[in-house]
Amino acid sequence: GQNIDQPTEMTATEGAIVQINCTYQTSGFNGLFWYQQHAGEAPTFLSYNVLDGLEEKGRFSSFLSRSKGYSYLLLKELQMKDSASYLCALMDSNYQLIWGAGTKLIIKP
Amino acid sequence: DAMVIQNPRYQVTQFGKPVTLSCSQTLNHNVMYWYQQKSSQAPKLLFHYYDKDFNNEADTPDNFQSRRPNTSFCFLDIRSPGLGDAAMYLCATKSGEREVNEQFFGPGTRLTVL
Repeated sequence: GQNIDQPTEMTATEGAIVQINCTYQTSGFNGLFWYQQHAGEAPTFLSYNVLDGLEEKGRFSSFLSRSKGYSYLLLKELQMKDSASYLCALMDSNYQLIWGAGTKLIIKP
Repeated sequence: DAMVIQNPRYQVTQFGKPVTLSCSQTLNHNVMYWYQQKSSQAPKLLFHYYDKDFNNEADTPDNFQSRRPNTSFCFLDIRSPGLGDAAMYLCATKSGEREVNEQFFGPGTRLTVL
């Protein structure tokens, strides 16, 4: 079967760095996505990893280890607007997305 | 700008009264998805189309139907909405090319059932 785990909620301070972890189990793998979702809005694409290693895109970076079934999203120089839910999703062998429940990130001044 | 559009953004219906949600796209993508998302939960895939080829998820209730009359439009019909069907309904599209994996989401329709 397939399973995705990520923390339910995290709190961080404006200007700091936060790492959101995602672990997964799957029989088929075609990549791992991170999406940002503000309350009441649709998910927006942040990153896609299909090979092991770190992908950096501005203040956001995403890491993947396929052998460990592990990914993280790293957010630097946190801003208040980064308060949102962050969803980890893996693409299975049928190219369908299997979603985690999301991590609600609360940024405090 | 190429995009995914959902109408209406907010829909209120009464218990048992049929409702239709619409999605259109200007991306010319082959694949379209309907997801249901309840508060603080992961999106749940209801259906997807690869062109006109319809794929129904095994646990999607019979109360939910879908139509895709052409590449650009896709509809979600809820025949007899119950209180448990109140949720955000998300439409997404994806290119049919295997190496392009990103799904593009519309803004969603929030459904309230009274």
